[in-house]
Amino acid sequence: SQELEQSPQSLIVQEGKNLTINCTSSKTLYGLYWYKQKYGEGLIFLMMLQKGGEEKSHEKITAKLDEKKQQSSLHITASQPSHAGIYLCGADTFTGGGNKLTFGTGTQLKVEL
Amino acid sequence: DVKVTQSSRYLVKRTGEKVFLECVQDMDHENMFWYRQDPGLGLRLIYFSYDVKMKEKGDIPEGYSVSREKKERFSLILESASTNQTSMYLCASSLVPGTGTQSSYNEQFFGPGTRLTVL
Repeated sequence: SQELEQSPQSLIVQEGKNLTINCTSSKTLYGLYWYKQKYGEGLIFLMMLQKGGEEKSHEKITAKLDEKKQQSSLHITASQPSHAGIYLCGADTFTGGGNKLTFGTGTQLKVEL
Repeated sequence: DVKVTQSSRYLVKRTGEKVFLECVQDMDHENMFWYRQDPGLGLRLIYFSYDVKMKEKGDIPEGYSVSREKKERFSLILESASTNQTSMYLCASSLVPGTGTQSSYNEQFFGPGTRLTVL
């Protein structure tokens, strides 16, 4: 079965600093999803990457999928308190009856003023 | 916007009780999922359903059952709640990839979660 490892597990940064979160897969990634979760709430979709070398940005968040399609990184530029939360990566997992996502264990981000 | 709702945000039950967690989505999605989320373990799939009355076991189905009688509703049932089922439960739904406007996306839309405590 596919496993996703996220690093770091937790991160504390000062407001205004840049940071990167990594997601490494044990198998080739065919679809990689990044979600954000505020404490005690559901997951909010950020972006999805499919092709090797693909890069997408939304506001100050940029995600990349490496050429070999086994690792993705999420980069936040000039972090703000609103970026705080848990970031999870999820990978497409295909089964006979439907399509599932396998998730990493998450990276908890705190942004200090 | 897609909306996925869960019947309760917080729930406290006693060991041995039968517990029902309800999830409703309003976008005619074929796929629905139940996860539990625990610190250090991430999201783990309990069960999912890709059509009415169809269900498939996820990674940790033991102690749980599900019901999907209508397309928009997916219920998670704890037949006899135990303290190790204290957790955050998240419901999600998605289209079949390749349909609608999502192209090849398999994006899942999540509900707000139910924090269940079993005493």
